[in-house]
Amino acid sequence: GNSVTQMEGPVTLSEEAFLTINCTYTATGYPSLFWYVQYPGEGLQLLLKATKADDKGSNKGFEATYRKETTSFHLEKGSVQVSDSAVYFCALVPFEDTGRRALTFGSGTRLQVQP
Amino acid sequence: DAGITQSPRHKVTETGTPVTLRCHQTENHRYMYWYRQDPGHGLRLIHYSYGVKDTDKGEVSDGYSVSRSKTEDFLLTLESATSSQTSVYFCAIKDRAQETQYFGPGTRLLVL
Repeated sequence: GNSVTQMEGPVTLSEEAFLTINCTYTATGYPSLFWYVQYPGEGLQLLLKATKADDKGSNKGFEATYRKETTSFHLEKGSVQVSDSAVYFCALVPFEDTGRRALTFGSGTRLQVQP
Repeated sequence: DAGITQSPRHKVTETGTPVTLRCHQTENHRYMYWYRQDPGHGLRLIHYSYGVKDTDKGEVSDGYSVSRSKTEDFLLTLESATSSQTSVYFCAIKDRAQETQYFGPGTRLLVL
């Protein structure tokens, strides 16, 4: 079946530090890959996505590259801010699931940025 | 903002009582989903709908039923709530043009 594995949290960084949150997946074919962010007390917001190998998704200074050879979609940001503190979810939609197209999520990684 | 609202936003209920959660969208999307969020599990699919009166089960559908009598509304019912259904419930729609799902604000349910 399909699955997504994320690094355990929480990840605690100082402001302006470099961020990497690892995400690897298991799926047949070529899934679409997503990062969602959940700020405290809120719902999930789409952060970025990539739909084919070697695509790079980017938004708000965050980036992730779809690596088919390593089945990974790691999230990076060059300089984090306190306002980036949130829970980050990696997710996929399998290519073959042309009907349902539901998301399979990782367990989430909490990021805490200290001033 | 994908025009998704959920009601109620918070609910406390007792074991054995029926509970209905509502998801409402304003943009006429065909696909709608119900997920639950639990610590250590991320979000998991309960049920989804691909049109009026067209629904199907997800991975964690036991104890839940859904209905969709209008395009804009997708209802999730817990026929007889149990403590294991204490969770945060999220509704989502799929924007077919972007092949991307957008989420509502969530409903926090506590079953005592």
